[in-house]
Amino acid sequence: GAVVSQHPSWVICKSGTSVKIECRSLDFQATTMFWYRQFPKQSLMLMATSNEGSKATYEQGVEKDKFLINHASLTLSTLTVTSAHPEDSSFYICSARPHGGLGGLSTNEKLFFGSGTQLSVL
Amino acid sequence: GQNIDQPTEMTATEGAIVQINCTYQTSGFNGLFWYQQHAGEAPTFLSYNVLDGLEEKGRFSSFLSRSKGYSYLLLKELQMKDSASYLCAFYFNKFYFGSGTKLNVKP
Repeated sequence: GAVVSQHPSWVICKSGTSVKIECRSLDFQATTMFWYRQFPKQSLMLMATSNEGSKATYEQGVEKDKFLINHASLTLSTLTVTSAHPEDSSFYICSARPHGGLGGLSTNEKLFFGSGTQLSVL
Repeated sequence: GQNIDQPTEMTATEGAIVQINCTYQTSGFNGLFWYQQHAGEAPTFLSYNVLDGLEEKGRFSSFLSRSKGYSYLLLKELQMKDSASYLCAFYFNKFYFGSGTKLNVKP
């Protein structure tokens, strides 16, 4: 099955520093990758959609200058949390949608998730 | 707007059958998905429906009725390892997730 690798699994940083999270599709090309944030006992909240070679589309209320997304290749997207603060502490999960499908919904529309990154800002 | 409702929490007994419901309001979607998520881990895909009806995959089945704005996930022969959160999501250009149902399986 499709594998999405996300690193690091957890990170602790000081307030004011920046943290980069990587998301790689290991055995398929991902035209589109999604970044989610999940607070304890809550569901996944979509932060942004990144498309290879173009600017990310951010959801309402998500600061694009704070959460920098780069999708430079078909297998790699990165999320950088800039000037992190304690309220940014959360579980961040990326997901990737395999490229393909000729319209309509196919098994290619299934999302494959990375293992997540637990960010703790002190 | 998009809105998805699921029960917050459910409890069932090992070996039993449990049905987790999901109702939604949306102008349209391509597919209805169910994911399982254990605490501190990423969601894993369980099942999805494009057309109305029942999709069966081993111990897990999912049902969809577009006219009623309703889906459910059916888990048979419950095992202790099935204790997890179950997320209902629909796909319409992007994925929209419900808040999840925490299932507690007791001996």
